Amino acid sequence: QVQLQESGPGLVKPSETLSLTCTVSGASISSYYWHWIRQPPGNGLEWVGFIYYSGNTNYNPSLKSRVTISVDTSKNQFSLKLTSVTAADTAVYYCARSTTVTWNRWFDPWGQGILVTVSS
Amino acid sequence: QSVLTQPPSVSGAPGQRVTISCTGSSSNIGAGYDVHWYQQLPGTAPKALIYGNTNRPSGVPDRFSGSKSGTSASLAITGLQTEDEADYYCQSYDSSLSASVFGGGTKLTVL
Repeated sequence: QVQLQESGPGLVKPSETLSLTCTVSGASISSYYWHWIRQPPGNGLEWVGFIYYSGNTNYNPSLKSRVTISVDTSKNQFSLKLTSVTAADTAVYYCARSTTVTWNRWFDPWGQGILVTVSS
Repeated sequence: QSVLTQPPSVSGAPGQRVTISCTGSSSNIGAGYDVHWYQQLPGTAPKALIYGNTNRPSGVPDRFSGSKSGTSASLAITGLQTEDEADYYCQSYDSSLSASVFGGGTKLTVL
């Protein structure tokens, strides 16, 4: 079955760039749509953005100025970069798949998540 | 606060039926966008429970059902089991925000 696994630093300093990678197994990344979703500790979920294997992206307008999502089809991976981070960016970051890009997209499966703390 | 409104908590005894509401507006649920539901067990990632308002992914028991009407949607769980204790989130799309949006989550306690 399809599995997703996040990786990257668990601690990032304020004003620096958060960088995470999601490795996809059990499916080709050259299909479907690949998303990042985050969850601050004790809080709800926030959609960050998605990428298609062709490189087409769409970001949450609230984060758009700081977010870049890229894809590496040769490694079956996609990545997230979030610049100028603050404590408000501390969250568990999940990668997930959707089978449609339409407004009625839903997310399945999800990776296990990775906690990223922004602190000096 | 979240664009979609859910009650912070609900509870029920084993075997009972509970419902969780998800209230939106004319720019999301009321605009006709589908509602999806996720279950998040303690310390784990969310898992899809209902998609497209009423559909269950393969492997999800038929004790879980979804409905939608107007600007709201509901998740019903029948025959409550202790393993159903979890946080539940609704999700839709908001045209004003141009983004997928989630409810704030509802914690289900099985008494």
